[in-house]
Amino acid sequence: EVQLVESGGDLVQPGGSLRLSCAASGFTFSNYWMHWVRQAPGKGLLWVSRINPDGSNTIYADSVKGRFTISRDNAKNTLYLQMNSLRAEDTAVYYCVSQLTNAPLDYWGQGTLVTVSS
Amino acid sequence: VLTQSPATLSLSPGERATLSCGASQTVIKTFLAWYQQKPGLAPRLLIYDASSRATGIPDRFSGSGSGTDFTLTISRLEPEDFAVYYCQQYGSSPLTFGGGTKVEIK
Repeated sequence: EVQLVESGGDLVQPGGSLRLSCAASGFTFSNYWMHWVRQAPGKGLLWVSRINPDGSNTIYADSVKGRFTISRDNAKNTLYLQMNSLRAEDTAVYYCVSQLTNAPLDYWGQGTLVTVSS
Repeated sequence: VLTQSPATLSLSPGERATLSCGASQTVIKTFLAWYQQKPGLAPRLLIYDASSRATGIPDRFSGSGSGTDFTLTISRLEPEDFAVYYCQQYGSSPLTFGGGTKVEIK
């Protein structure tokens, strides 16, 4: 059974940092592109960042560029999102999502809530 | 940019639902997907490549379209179909989502 389990969400003050993790199982993690997608309370889905299967290529939404860093450890089947200089507008549920090349986002984690507030 | 319409669709069980998704540029290779999201849950893939149903999705869900105009049709609404639906393109980077259509019980 495919599983993506996010962790690391928390309440953090503006300007603070947080690292999200996503543990993958049930599929060949190293074959997949991986994404972070977020959803602010009551709002729609917003793509945040993507990393290619071997971790050599990453891209970011303009709203998080320079503040967030996506990475992966294929030996541990784990995806990460390092979030620095957090702002109130980063408050959201963050989903870890998998994708094969030229394919839709197929597996989604349950999400982890990040709240940025003083 | 993907624009979904209407924002809200009020229908009764058994009725037909037609959701639209318009793209500001041609979606490459019809790499367009539809997702369903219920409150408190992660989105679920319904349709990919504009018209292919994902594994386990009932045949009352169908997708169509190409280029810049796409449609998700639910032929007869079941009680469990009342949810929010998002379109998403994966033909170009970065991925983009539409703003969503909420299908609510009339």
